[in-house]
Amino acid sequence: EAGVTQFPSHSVIEKGQTVTLRCDPISGHDNLYWYRRVMGKEIKFLLHFVKESKQDESGMPNNRFLAERTGGTYSTLKVQPAELEDSGVYFCASSSQPPPAGYTFGSGTRLTVV
Amino acid sequence: SQQGEEDPQALSIQEGENATMNCSYKTSINNLQWYRQNSGRGLVHLILIRSNEREKHSGRLRVTLDTSKKSSSLLITASRAADTASYFCATANAGGTSYGKLTFGQGTILTVHP
Repeated sequence: EAGVTQFPSHSVIEKGQTVTLRCDPISGHDNLYWYRRVMGKEIKFLLHFVKESKQDESGMPNNRFLAERTGGTYSTLKVQPAELEDSGVYFCASSSQPPPAGYTFGSGTRLTVV
Repeated sequence: SQQGEEDPQALSIQEGENATMNCSYKTSINNLQWYRQNSGRGLVHLILIRSNEREKHSGRLRVTLDTSKKSSSLLITASRAADTASYFCATANAGGTSYGKLTFGQGTILTVHP
């Protein structure tokens, strides 16, 4: 089966621009998660979808971040406008079983805001 | 909030030696998971140990969990150069709306020299 796929793998944008990250989970996985790792810090939870619904968005840093999962398939994470501190690696993960369970992570999107 | 903390932060060993990494956390958990990240790649789920388990094995991996001390260890036996990677522990809450959220430590960078 195909794994979790993230696009793009790298993105370099200027401060103030908008960027949209995409995650395609493993087909049939209802649970989808976004995490990010800012340089030098630990990997932090952003939010959790169950199908198309946001189960937990307690980790979203501020209202410049918008996550969607229309139709309960792929998800997008939009950052608008991007700030320098948004730079980091954004990971997506999915799982078929209800948590807690082992998740399958994508390779991540490395976002650099200059 | 709970936080997984690994030690050591970096570990350098020779091929064939055993590698031990430790993780501590602060609050009650449902389970603890270990992940590996090779440079530029996504996180790979290695093993999950539930709060009512004390030890678990998977191939050359052995994980222990001491809930009284809120700590876990990951042992890799007979290490190989291919084991070179960053290793993260992550804890999962028992319930509530944040049941899907993993809390990661900062990781241990393992280098295995051929």
